[in-house]
Amino acid sequence: EDKVVQSPLSLVVHEGDTVTLNCSYEVTNFRSLLWYKQEKKAPTFLFMLTSSGIEKKSGRLSSILDKKELFSILNITATQTGDSAIYLCAVQDSGTYKYIFGTGTRLKVLA
Amino acid sequence: GAVVSQHPSWVICKSGTSVKIECRSLDFQATTMFWYRQFPKQSLMLMATSNEGSKATYEQGVEKDKFLINHASLTLSTLTVTSAHPEDSSFYICSARDLLGQGYNEQFFGPGTRLTVL
Repeated sequence: EDKVVQSPLSLVVHEGDTVTLNCSYEVTNFRSLLWYKQEKKAPTFLFMLTSSGIEKKSGRLSSILDKKELFSILNITATQTGDSAIYLCAVQDSGTYKYIFGTGTRLKVLA
Repeated sequence: GAVVSQHPSWVICKSGTSVKIECRSLDFQATTMFWYRQFPKQSLMLMATSNEGSKATYEQGVEKDKFLINHASLTLSTLTVTSAHPEDSSFYICSARDLLGQGYNEQFFGPGTRLTVL
């Protein structure tokens, strides 16, 4: 059975800290891995990763994929209170285009 | 571009009634839409894949007679929760694949519908 596991489940840090969120997967037909940020409503897109070893960057956020070891990390540097959210990792199935979501990591950044 | 809307954004209903949730792709065509359910403090769980002009494909454990899906056009899919009960209270989110756009592999999410069944 396909699965996506994220760790840690929750994390509390102080403003200015750097955090690393992990996502490991076992998916038979891998197409891409995506990261989302979810606050009160639906998830907002952060990154889509398809190739190993190529870092994607957007401001203080960056992410990289390792297709050999079947995991991805999401880094957030100089965290701010506005980064407090649930971060979701999803893997897209290449046959059905379905997303298999991970458990999510709940991040809280304290002022 | 690639905007998905949902209506209503929240709904409260009595137990035993049916509720219809609409998902629209506003500026692109979507042959495939997905319906998710999210319980508090949990991740998104895929309920079904909605294909324009054909029957929806339901995930294991999701009752097709309870969650009726209709995808009548390239921009609209509806989810009807029939004979809703309190345990159906949840956050329902749809997403749509942009068939022709640059984000061919990406799903665009609607803002979600919060359903509360009393």
